Amino acid sequence: DIVMTQSQKFMSTSVGDRVSVTCKASQNVGTNVAWYQQKPGQSPKALIYSASYRYSGVPDRFTGSGSGTDFTLTISNVQSEDLAEYFCQQYNSYPLTFGAGTKLELK
Amino acid sequence: QVTLKESGPGILQPSQTLSLTCSFSGFSLSTSGMGVGWIRQPSGEGLEWLADIWWDDNKYYNPSLKSRLTISKDTSSNQVFLKITSVDTADTATYYCARRADYDWFAYWGQGTLVTVSA
Repeated sequence: DIVMTQSQKFMSTSVGDRVSVTCKASQNVGTNVAWYQQKPGQSPKALIYSASYRYSGVPDRFTGSGSGTDFTLTISNVQSEDLAEYFCQQYNSYPLTFGAGTKLELK
Repeated sequence: QVTLKESGPGILQPSQTLSLTCSFSGFSLSTSGMGVGWIRQPSGEGLEWLADIWWDDNKYYNPSLKSRLTISKDTSSNQVFLKITSVDTADTATYYCARRADYDWFAYWGQGTLVTVSA
């Protein structure tokens, strides 16, 4: 199985900051990575697909980058509504696997 | 507009079989390239993919649970089903169904249904 490692379980930020959430795959997944945002009590929402493509309706302060094994989700000018948990996922091969999540909190 | 909605028993006892239904609209599972998957999330924990079913009836399962899972579909009623046999407390989670297309990401998610396994 491909392990997706999000090494930071929590990240502290302030409104207006720029923050980067990282995800490392245990083997090459090309650009077959998606990022999801999940707020408490809600289902996950797709943000980024194919590593760097913004999903419909997602603000342009969300940017995805990376290929192969190293991926980054960058949020520029963090807003209060961005305080949530973020998960990466590989869909390069079965079984599909998710990172453990990174929770973005206010400093 | 694509929507998905999960339904389940809410609570069941250890060793029973969990039956989940995903009712969807806005797309058809008879359309080439369409797929629906199940993902679960224990409270306060991460996401675990369980199974996918595709328009051509191809099915894929998480190997860690494969012996206990059965996914199926009823194209005419726009529903996908998941059965998990011999449940125990570790199966307590919110269960989501989500749509995929062309073997890519989960673009649309349901609201989830909470399943509690308790004696």
